[in-house]
Amino acid sequence: GQNIDQPTEMTATEGAIVQINCTYQTSGFNGLFWYQQHAGEAPTFLSYNVLDGLEEKGRFSSFLSRSKGYSYLLLKELQMKDSASYLCAVMDSNYQLIWGAGTKLIIKP
Amino acid sequence: IAGITQAPTSQILAAGRRMTLRCTQDMRHNAMYWYRQDLGLGLRLIHYSNTAGTTGKGEVPDGYSVSRANTDDFPLTLASAVPSQTSVYFCASSTGTGGNTEAFFGQGTRLTVV
Repeated sequence: GQNIDQPTEMTATEGAIVQINCTYQTSGFNGLFWYQQHAGEAPTFLSYNVLDGLEEKGRFSSFLSRSKGYSYLLLKELQMKDSASYLCAVMDSNYQLIWGAGTKLIIKP
Repeated sequence: IAGITQAPTSQILAAGRRMTLRCTQDMRHNAMYWYRQDLGLGLRLIHYSNTAGTTGKGEVPDGYSVSRANTDDFPLTLASAVPSQTSVYFCASSTGTGGNTEAFFGQGTRLTVV
C-alpha cells in the first residue's frame, strides 16, 4: 500500500530552527509537496520537490532524497505565526496526491 | 478575485438526509477535487474531475457523488448521510494534473451527521 509518515506533533522555540521529516512509500513518484494549514483554515502550498536536493524559499527550505523515500521541511527564524500543521504529500504514478496526516508545530515564546 | 468558494461553511445534518456541498472556482482551473479531512488521518480524495464533463473516483468514493457540468462548479452530494461522513470537506482546484501543479483549497465545510 501507499504510506506517508510524519511526526504527529513537534514543539520549538520562537527564533529557533525546526526540521519536520516525511518518509514515503508510494506507487511511483511525480513530486513531493509541503502545505501549511493553520487551525480551522485551508491548506496552502509551501513547496514542491521532484529532484534530489534542497529547495530554498525565504525562511523555508525543503529537501528530497528519492532513493531514501525521504523529505524534510526546514523552518528557520521561527515566528509565532508559524504555529500550524505541515502536510507532506506525494504525487503517485497516477498523478494523485497521497497525503500524510500532518505534523502539528507548536511554537513557544 | 474570490478563488475557490465552498458553501455552506458548516452544517448539522440528520442521518438519512440528502445534502449537496457546493464548490465554485473563478480561476478557470481544469482540475477539481473533493477531499475529506479527519483527525489523525491525511486528506483523503473522494472524487476528482480532470476537466469539465469528466469525473473519477478517489480513495473513498462510497456514499458520495459529483458532477462537473462546467469548469467553475463541482458539487458533492451525499445521497443518504451517515454518521461516519462527519468530517471537514475541502474542495480544491489546480490548473492541471501534472507534476508541479499547486492545488488551491476552499475554506472547507464542517459537516456533522447526527
